[in-house]
Amino acid sequence: NAGVMQNPRHLVRRRGQEARLRCSPMKGHSHVYWYRQLPEEGLKFMVYLQKENIIDESGMPKERFSAEFPKEGPSILRIQQVVRGDSAAYFCASSRKQGAGGQPQHFGDGTRLSIL
Amino acid sequence: SQQGEEDPQALSIQEGENATMNCSYKTSINNLQWYRQNSGRGLVHLILIRSNEREKHSGRLRVTLDTSKKSSSLLITASRAADTASYFCATDAEETSGSRLTFGEGTQLTVNP
Repeated sequence: NAGVMQNPRHLVRRRGQEARLRCSPMKGHSHVYWYRQLPEEGLKFMVYLQKENIIDESGMPKERFSAEFPKEGPSILRIQQVVRGDSAAYFCASSRKQGAGGQPQHFGDGTRLSIL
Repeated sequence: SQQGEEDPQALSIQEGENATMNCSYKTSINNLQWYRQNSGRGLVHLILIRSNEREKHSGRLRVTLDTSKKSSSLLITASRAADTASYFCATDAEETSGSRLTFGEGTQLTVNP
């Protein structure tokens, strides 16, 4: 499967626990984006990363949320001390280097996070 | 209203009919993209139209872009039951070029067999 791979597909956590969501971009893609989707809504941008660098994290809450895209391995979205309001679908997308006019983003199937 | 707002919110048609969905946005853009999402799945990229383009075709899909009105439309011709899904427009704004897409709330399309 050459697409964007996210795991796990479903994640259940209790309030106060940590959630780790993983994303492997498409082969040849060096740009990774994380979005959050609440039921019946569109996707909301969270963070944009390139290898080893956070480029834009303006959509991510400043507390409890962090993201990384290491030189080796998948991108990780980490949510510490989860609360009920963190329940949502989290999508990762990847793209090639952004050139003139832009490049499409390709999405994974998401991780559905449920907080008990 | 938010950037990338779709209209209508929901659309129900019969197989074989055409479906038209509209999208309005607020800022200057590099491009506008349309995506499809089946229930419980990720988004599938359908088509990207750049700010200097007015119309684009891909199979049964036709997208138009009017930058003076800050609006776009997606036309699906000869619809099929398998086209049932949510459709989202997303804008890549000039101001944040390449760093994010801003999505609308989507149009839920139901194609009845």
